[in-house]
Amino acid sequence: DGGITQSPKYLFRKEGQNVTLSCEQNLNHDAMYWYRQDPGQGLRLIYYSQIVNDFQKGDIAEGYSVSREKKESFPLTVTSAQKNPTAFYLCASSVRQFTGELFFGEGSRLTVL
Amino acid sequence: DAKTTQPTSMDCAEGRAANLPCNHSTISGNEYVYWYRQIHSQGPQYIIHGLKNNETNEMASLIITEDRKSSTLILPHATLRDTAVYYCIVLYSGAGSYQLTFGKGTKLSVIP
Repeated sequence: DGGITQSPKYLFRKEGQNVTLSCEQNLNHDAMYWYRQDPGQGLRLIYYSQIVNDFQKGDIAEGYSVSREKKESFPLTVTSAQKNPTAFYLCASSVRQFTGELFFGEGSRLTVL
Repeated sequence: DAKTTQPTSMDCAEGRAANLPCNHSTISGNEYVYWYRQIHSQGPQYIIHGLKNNETNEMASLIITEDRKSSTLILPHATLRDTAVYYCIVLYSGAGSYQLTFGKGTKLSVIP
């Protein structure tokens, strides 16, 4: 079955450590996205990529980094520069650029101790 | 992108139609209305979208007013599994910068 796989589902890290969240899709979608969600809040866009080897910052890119070396993969690194990294992270993909129909993964919940 | 206003929460009896309103009074002519829902601790799920005309699919119906300043998502026969947060989003779909912005949405509780 096609879909988006995020891993790990739950992750605990000590303050000051970098963390990389995995996002893989087998939908052959061109575009991929990372969102952050805090309790009781909506989603905020961190980064997005419309094609391989290209990505753009969203609203809250500071303290995060991404890469898009393969069409299927869009990993997100939460660096030690991110002041409040504890959150629910959601990866999504879409068939093409500039569409609002996104397919989301199940999310990764990061807790920094 | 135009902003949207949704009620914070709503209740609906199981089996009845759930009508979720959304105001988007500053929408422009080339902006679409999208609806998503998010079941607790899961990723959001796309439901439906429209520009001017009413739309229907296997999940829901979308009614957009003639002046496009508001819309209503209709779940015709709500079930307990429809309990979720529903997001109404307005999006310019075209070349240039892109952002699909999720607000706080409406928390729909379907009651037995």
